[in-house]
Amino acid sequence: GDSVTQMEGPVTLSEEACLTINCTYTATGYPSLFWYVQYPGEGLQLLLKATKADDKGSNKGFEATYRKETTSFHLEKGSVQVSDSAVYFCALSDPRTGTASKLTFGTGTRLQVTL
Amino acid sequence: EAEVAQSPRYKITEKSQAVAFWCDPISGHATLYWYRQILGQGPELLVQFQDESVVDDSQLPKDRFSAERLKGVDSTLKIQPAELGDSAMYLCASSLEWTSGTYEQYFGPGTRLTVT
Repeated sequence: GDSVTQMEGPVTLSEEACLTINCTYTATGYPSLFWYVQYPGEGLQLLLKATKADDKGSNKGFEATYRKETTSFHLEKGSVQVSDSAVYFCALSDPRTGTASKLTFGTGTRLQVTL
Repeated sequence: EAEVAQSPRYKITEKSQAVAFWCDPISGHATLYWYRQILGQGPELLVQFQDESVVDDSQLPKDRFSAERLKGVDSTLKIQPAELGDSAMYLCASSLEWTSGTYEQYFGPGTRLTVT
């Protein structure tokens, strides 16, 4: 079945450092890929998405490129801020049937940014 | 901006008791999902509705969990009896029809359940 593997945390960075959170996936079809962010005590918010190979999703300074050849969707940011401290989830949705389908999530990576 | 509403936000119950969670999706969203998120893990789908019909409940422990969406709008998830292992965050999400090549899901704030 479909699965998502992401790097374990926590990841601790100083403010303005570069961020990379690795994510790889396994899917039999051509999934859409997502990064969700969860702030303490809150639900999940969509950060960015990509629906086909070589697409780049971007939002709030974060970027991720859909790499079909390496089955990866790594999250990157050039300069993190304290306010970026949260848990980040990589997820996929496999719309093979043309109907709405569930999200399959990775285990999450906690990011802590310090001054 | 429209949001998915959930209540209660927090629930503490004793094992063997019954508990229920409510979700009101974004208006017009035909698809509704209930996910369970155990601490330190990613969310896992429990049940998916398309309008009032169940599309996927393969991971729902049907001996103790039930879910309904009677009029195809809001939904209730029930656990009876609750067990210690049910302690988790229960997330509701909804999505509209196919847009921009995918179905984007919008999540509510969740209900954190603690079973003692």
